[in-house]
Amino acid sequence: AQSVSQHNHHVILSEAASLELGCNYSYGGTVNLFWYVQYPGQHLQLLLKYFSGDPLVKGIKGFEAEFIKSKFSFNLRKPSVQWSDTAEYFCAVNGRAAGNKLTFGGGTRVLVKP
Amino acid sequence: DSGVTQTPKHLITATGQRVTLRCSPRSGDLSVYWYQQSLDQGLQFLIQYYNGEERAKGNILERFSAQQFPDLHSELNLSSLELGDSALYFCASSVRLEETQYFGPGTRLLVL
Repeated sequence: AQSVSQHNHHVILSEAASLELGCNYSYGGTVNLFWYVQYPGQHLQLLLKYFSGDPLVKGIKGFEAEFIKSKFSFNLRKPSVQWSDTAEYFCAVNGRAAGNKLTFGGGTRVLVKP
Repeated sequence: DSGVTQTPKHLITATGQRVTLRCSPRSGDLSVYWYQQSLDQGLQFLIQYYNGEERAKGNILERFSAQQFPDLHSELNLSSLELGDSALYFCASSVRLEETQYFGPGTRLLVL
């Protein structure tokens, strides 16, 4: 079975600070990895994804994530956050042999103070 | 806007009742997924359909059922509703299996 762990439940930052959200997964085979964002009152939106190739993935809105296979990690980063980045961020895994069901982490609520 | 539509946006009902949630996938997407988001359980996969056929089941209760119709829209039926079924229900779609899933705006269900 696949599982996803997000280390921080809540993060509070000031604008222009750097953000890093941790994500570790458990799955014995090849995985596809995703970060989704959910702005207040809105639906899930895809930030970025990793299927194969370069382990450093760039997404929308200045976000990037690095897949480290040896650590089973897919951490999300943004060098300088804005107030509009206030949202909940979800890491998700799709084990390729497990069908296309996404397993989500518990989410990290990020609050950026202006 | 992901292109996935869900109706209704909000639903308030009473315990013991039955409701139907509807999802229309993005144009061209063959696969539909249903997820439940609640405060205590987080985001949980419920069920997946591909081109009309059920392909995977997750933590879906026996009181819940779904189907995907020939025009590829899907419905999630929730019956004998309990207070604990109150949640946000998301539909997602993808072109094929193992492709990126795009999520709809969700249906917020409140069971009183």
